[in-house]
Amino acid sequence: SQQGEEDPQALSIQEGENATMNCSYKTSINNLQWYRQNSGRGLVHLILIRSNEREKHSGRLRVTLDTSKKSSSLLITASRAADTASYFCATDMSGGSQGNLIFGKGTKLSVKP
Amino acid sequence: GAGVSQSPRYKVAKRGQDVALRCDPISGHVSLFWYQQALGQGPEFLTYFQNEAQLDKSGLPSDRFFAERPEGSVSTLKIQRTQQEDSAVYLCASTIRQGSYEQYFGPGTRLTVT
Repeated sequence: SQQGEEDPQALSIQEGENATMNCSYKTSINNLQWYRQNSGRGLVHLILIRSNEREKHSGRLRVTLDTSKKSSSLLITASRAADTASYFCATDMSGGSQGNLIFGKGTKLSVKP
Repeated sequence: GAGVSQSPRYKVAKRGQDVALRCDPISGHVSLFWYQQALGQGPEFLTYFQNEAQLDKSGLPSDRFFAERPEGSVSTLKIQRTQQEDSAVYLCASTIRQGSYEQYFGPGTRLTVT
């Protein structure tokens, strides 16, 4: 079973626009991570935010975490055609020590040049 | 190597055949994970190794699935008597040590059972 739900399932925007994806999860977490998956390639780690953090930035990425609402958002600013991919949030359950991740179903982002 | 590698990249098996999928994690990485990703879905956890010890196999869908990592580096996921529902991409990931860290994923093996 999958922990998280991303919203929207699919998003289509023009190059230069911002893209916002949301993720909700069900149980308490140690951290939440976002991954990108291009067609035919493996998952690439984008950013990790710990449960005691509220916001984190990395380049054009901004992630927020609201543990009271069990939700996170990923903002990609000034999108590029190369950002076209599926984006997944993944959580590592609180109390777990192994680090195995529980993924959502993903948001498919299409950035048109 | 520079990253996690998996072989084969693609595998077609007739129903009932056995298959073996290989994962070479990043050298020195302690933790190794296997995930199964069905079409249009996110990856789902199968099993976890810390060095050569398989500490969690709660995600393996049936006793037809077996994984090993005998020397704490390369891992093999074996599926016996494959069924159509086993068709998926099998992803391997490693982390430098046990715990909550970013995972480095291989490109996956796409298994199609006909």
